[in-house]
Amino acid sequence: KQEVTQIPAALSVPEGENLVLNCSFTDSAIYNLQWFRQDPGKGLTSLLLIQSSQREQTSGRLNASLDKSSGRSTLYIAASQPGDSATYLCAVRQNAGNMLTFGGGTRLMVKP
Amino acid sequence: EADIYQTPRYLVIGTGKKITLECSQTMGHDKMYWYQQDPGMELHLIHYSYGVNSTEKGDLSSESTVSRIRTEHFPLTLESARPSHTSQYLCASSGTHSPLHFGNGTRLTVT
Repeated sequence: KQEVTQIPAALSVPEGENLVLNCSFTDSAIYNLQWFRQDPGKGLTSLLLIQSSQREQTSGRLNASLDKSSGRSTLYIAASQPGDSATYLCAVRQNAGNMLTFGGGTRLMVKP
Repeated sequence: EADIYQTPRYLVIGTGKKITLECSQTMGHDKMYWYQQDPGMELHLIHYSYGVNSTEKGDLSSESTVSRIRTEHFPLTLESARPSHTSQYLCASSGTHSPLHFGNGTRLTVT
């Protein structure tokens, strides 16, 4: 059974710092991996989707990488801002027809 | 933004009442999901559907039921609400190769 782990569980940084959030998964035979952002009391917003054949995806200040062989993905946030404060979740899909397995999330706080 | 809608946004209801949480998407996605999430806690899949007339239970046992009569509509029903059902319920949908899109959720409180 696939297990997804996110470390750290919580992170507090000053504004302007570059930071890396980590996601690891136990079964490397994945179909794709997705990063989400969740604000308190809200649903999840999709940030980036990486297919199994891809190594990275970029959107604005966000860059997500995927290393299937080692079972890892990282989300890099450049020049962090207070508005980036949220919980970030990664989720993996085993195959095209299967559901996602979510990590526990990293709760990020960016202080002004 | 993704076109997936959940109503109501907030619901406070007494024990024993029957409730239906609505979820609709306009993207033509075949797959739809219901997750339950307590504040600050992990998401738990309670129901999913891979198409019309197809529904399955998820990883977390739930007393709720779902139906999928139309592609765009995936309502969740609790026949008799209890305080233990107090939680946030998140609906999501995806196509075969597309990202998973979430609604804004329904925050349910059962008194």
